[in-house]
Amino acid sequence: EVQLVETGGGLVQPGRSLKLSCVASGFTFNNYWMSWTRQAPGKGLEWVASITNSGGSTYYPDSVKGRFTISRDNAQNTLYLQMNSLRSEDTATYYCTRVGGGYDYWGQGVMVTVSS
Amino acid sequence: DIVMTQAPLSVSVTPGESASISCRSSKSLLHSNGITYVYWYLQKPGKSPQLLIYRMSNLASGVPDRFSGSGSETDFTLKISRVEAEDVGIYYCGQLLENPWTFGGGTKLELK
Repeated sequence: EVQLVETGGGLVQPGRSLKLSCVASGFTFNNYWMSWTRQAPGKGLEWVASITNSGGSTYYPDSVKGRFTISRDNAQNTLYLQMNSLRSEDTATYYCTRVGGGYDYWGQGVMVTVSS
Repeated sequence: DIVMTQAPLSVSVTPGESASISCRSSKSLLHSNGITYVYWYLQKPGKSPQLLIYRMSNLASGVPDRFSGSGSETDFTLKISRVEAEDVGIYYCGQLLENPWTFGGGTKLELK
């Protein structure tokens, strides 16, 4: 059974940093691209970052480029999202997603609240 | 950026009847390889989104065949036949053709 379990969320002040982790199981992790997608409270879905299966290439929308860094440890089956210079508009539930035919598996999500 | 526009914002359906949700993209999602990179997701209340349809018309694993996807290069439809109580939630279309990968704003399905 495919499982994606995110950790690392919480309350953080504007301008500070936070690092999310996602442990994957039930599939061959290094065969898949992975992504982070977020959802602000009461809002829709927004893609945040993607990484190739080898980790050699990463992709971001302009809203987080230069502030967020996606990475992975294929030996540990773990995906990361380093978030720097956090803003109030980054407040959201962050989902770890596997990129199969689409985002075919989602984690349970982790809440990040940016507030003073 | 490719803008994905969904309609309606909400739909109310009698159990057992069918429902259709539309999604329009601001640019063709048909790749030169013949694949149309549009996807449909359902977010049930309080849950994470789940994939329903991939590459416009392919049913994701474990999804009932009451769900189907169709469309052209820019206009797409998700049809739900014989709506059941478990189908309640917010439906999103999304595109994976071009960075940034984008989603529609969502359509809320409720039961009458």
